[in-house]
Amino acid sequence: GDSVTQTEGPVTVSESESLIINCTYSATSIAYPNLFWYVRYPGEGLQLLLKVITAGQKGSSRGFEATYNKETTSFHLQKASVQESDSAVYYCALGPSNTGYQNFYFGKGTSLTVIP
Amino acid sequence: DPKIIQKPKYLVAVTGSEKILICEQYLGHNAMYWYRQSAKKPLEFMFSYSYQKLMDNQTASSRFQPQSSKKNHLDLQITALKPDDSATYFCASSHPGLGYEQYFGPGTRLTVL
Repeated sequence: GDSVTQTEGPVTVSESESLIINCTYSATSIAYPNLFWYVRYPGEGLQLLLKVITAGQKGSSRGFEATYNKETTSFHLQKASVQESDSAVYYCALGPSNTGYQNFYFGKGTSLTVIP
Repeated sequence: DPKIIQKPKYLVAVTGSEKILICEQYLGHNAMYWYRQSAKKPLEFMFSYSYQKLMDNQTASSRFQPQSSKKNHLDLQITALKPDDSATYFCASSHPGLGYEQYFGPGTRLTVL
């Protein structure tokens, strides 16, 4: 089936250190899936962090980046130097290749705490 | 201003009771969704609506009934509540043709005692 697996949290990193949150996906019913990273800050809803809709491409936002790797079915999230304000829960998601009303598949979320 | 409003933010209910979770979106989207996240589980898709019509239902139980009184409203009625229904329920919306992403509300955390 369609599913997403990501790094089990919680993850604790010191400020200015690098970060990688792993995400792998399985897309059996979606021929050309779109991939997303969402972030949820305390008390808020999920916000789109970045998206990539074409295999082989890289998406980036707020210093985060992720590359859509179809060969390894991965979409790892990386940041070279984290800040305390990056503390949040990060969700990797798989979506359909059209813009209709179809559902997304999410990972469990990775809770990140950045220590100052 | 919040674009997707969910009410209430927190909800405590007793087993066997009935509750309605409210969702309103002010993004002009015509597709709306409900997702649920239980402890240590992924967000799980429940329902999708397009132009107030049910398009997909991945919820096994008929105790969960979405209700769309207006294009920008999609409430979720839950009857005969069980402790296993305890979760955070997220409403989302999207607009075909304006991008591939879905936009999410802040969630309603439901606890069933």
